[in-house]
Amino acid sequence: DSGVTQTPKHLITATGQRVTLRCSPRSGDLSVYWYQQSLDQGLQFLIQYYNGEERAKGNILERFSAQQFPDLHSELNLSSLELGDSALYFCASSATSGRGSEAFFGQGTRLTVV
Amino acid sequence: TQLLEQSPQFLSIQEGENLTVYCNSSSVFSSLQWYRQEPGEGPVLLVTVVTGGEVKKLKRLTFQFGDARKDSSLHITAAQPGDTGLYLCAGAQGAQKLVFGQGTRLTINP
Repeated sequence: DSGVTQTPKHLITATGQRVTLRCSPRSGDLSVYWYQQSLDQGLQFLIQYYNGEERAKGNILERFSAQQFPDLHSELNLSSLELGDSALYFCASSATSGRGSEAFFGQGTRLTVV
Repeated sequence: TQLLEQSPQFLSIQEGENLTVYCNSSSVFSSLQWYRQEPGEGPVLLVTVVTGGEVKKLKRLTFQFGDARKDSSLHITAAQPGDTGLYLCAGAQGAQKLVFGQGTRLTINP
């Protein structure tokens, strides 16, 4: 158990809909990352938050947005969903102190858009 | 642009053989991590290397960080079916951002 909790584990929704994925980081970790992983692909970095503020942005679509709340949990909002958005979405957290940024991953949310 | 290139992308070998996976970049990283991911699960951290030239061993797995901190390798001795999975390297850059390679999908056949 990594200590990172993601909900829901599975999500099936129709095209055009909007969903929210939730992530609770490890206790004490200030940094949260969101990644997308399509079938048999590597991890595509979407966005990073650190202590409530956006720190880095990757290839995140304009239809997607995220935020980190004062209690450090994070939400990833996906809107106007398309079939191609079907993927595993992972959240990871790290302490981001010092030179090591070891990330601990949740078990992911499998999103299926039909 | 993929900052971290992993090779090979796919590798299928017989149980008992040795193998090496490479992670290369033209960028310098403050640290580099290796993760292993099984189907339907999140990546799990195996090791972090921080110092150029550093070598770390984890049972039959040997990890090395290049002298210039731009590349790394993972060597597995006497591979076992339980080693099967997706191996990901990740480099840490400024602002504590992690950059992942595309992964090496390893299959060990009994």
